[in-house]
Amino acid sequence: NAGVTQTPKFQVLKTGQSMTLQCAQDMNHEYMSWYRQDPGMGLRLIHYSVGAGITDQGEVPNGYNVSRSTTEDFPLRLLSAAPSQTSVYFCASSSWGNQPQHFGDGTRLSIL
Amino acid sequence: DAKTTQPNSMESNEEEPVHLPCNHSTISGTDYIHWYRQLPSQGPEYVIHGLTSNVNNRMASLAIAEDRKSSTLILHRATLRDAAVYYCILRRFGSQFYFGTGTSLTVIP
Repeated sequence: NAGVTQTPKFQVLKTGQSMTLQCAQDMNHEYMSWYRQDPGMGLRLIHYSVGAGITDQGEVPNGYNVSRSTTEDFPLRLLSAAPSQTSVYFCASSSWGNQPQHFGDGTRLSIL
Repeated sequence: DAKTTQPNSMESNEEEPVHLPCNHSTISGTDYIHWYRQLPSQGPEYVIHGLTSNVNNRMASLAIAEDRKSSTLILHRATLRDAAVYYCILRRFGSQFYFGTGTSLTVIP
């Protein structure tokens, strides 16, 4: 079982570059979300989606875009990378309602 | 969204029970109580969740106060592998998850 797959696992960017973090799940989950985790901190919600074609903002959405064209995929785009976006990014998915979230292994992103 | 309050850190001796508290005084009737844990350098991992009644699974037990304003995650016999940050989260049905800063559990051999 693949579960939630995030790529890449590590990435170094220069300030101003753009990139897309990929997230895919094979559990047919309706709900998907992106979090960032800064060193020594808890997870903060960036964007989430309750189904294909539907996305909404979380706590810290500025500087990030998302789209959900399929149930399986939920990519996160950094428009113009800034050093403040250096963090570990986690993608998660769950069934509708109150089922548990399943997390990916994370993408460690450094922006110089 | 309702918030939760947890101690920043706790310690436990190996092979002893651990009771991790969580206060959620503004909980609403449709909020489920979820617990996740995060081992070092890993993504969060689901532990247990419940609405009103106490819940048990192979990892832990969840004790929910009668007024639902607090809950306790119980690890029956702590092992070194249980050293992690434990997050208590309220989730309204169909809504998003908001993580706080959690409780960092240290297990002493």
